[in-house]
Amino acid sequence: GNSVTQMEGPVTLSEEAFLTINCTYTATGYPSLFWYVQYPGEGLQLLLKATKADDKGSNKGFEATYRKETTSFHLEKGSVQVSDSAVYFCALVLQGAQKLVFGQGTRLTINP
Amino acid sequence: DTGVSQNPRHKITKRGQNVTFRCDPISEHNRLYWYRQTLGQGPEFLTYFQNEAQLEKSRLLSDRFSAERPKGSFSTLEIQRTEQGDSAMYLCASSLGRTDLYGYTFGSGTRLTVV
Repeated sequence: GNSVTQMEGPVTLSEEAFLTINCTYTATGYPSLFWYVQYPGEGLQLLLKATKADDKGSNKGFEATYRKETTSFHLEKGSVQVSDSAVYFCALVLQGAQKLVFGQGTRLTINP
Repeated sequence: DTGVSQNPRHKITKRGQNVTFRCDPISEHNRLYWYRQTLGQGPEFLTYFQNEAQLEKSRLLSDRFSAERPKGSFSTLEIQRTEQGDSAMYLCASSLGRTDLYGYTFGSGTRLTVV
């Protein structure tokens, strides 16, 4: 089946540290890949996406590259801020399909 | 455009009672989705509509759950005879166009607590 695996959380970093949150996937077809972010008490917001191999999605200083050879879509940010504290979800959807499949989420806390 | 709106934000109910949640999607979006999110987990797909037609339902959606989208606008999710295991955040999302290109827009969710 289709599934997404994220690195275990929680992740705690100091402000201005480098962030990596690992995401790997298995898919029966060719997926598009997404990162969503959920701030406390809110719904999920689309952070970035990539629709084909070697695409790089980027937004708000976050980046992720679609690596087909390693079935990965790791999220990175060069210098995190306290305001980046949230839960981050990696997700996939097969081309032509409608159902997003989510990972379990990774809680990120940034300390000043 | 006010985004996807869900009501109520919070609902506390006694076991065995029925509850109904409402979702108002972005007005021009033709697809609407319901997901369930339990504590510490990612959202799990429940069902989706294209216009008024319910096109897919998860096995998670037992016969106590029913969803409707009359006239292809707002949607309701009803849970009958609630159980403590139904306690979760219920998320609604909507989209226009290909999900693999654009993803969804989510609402803020309805948090259900069954006591």
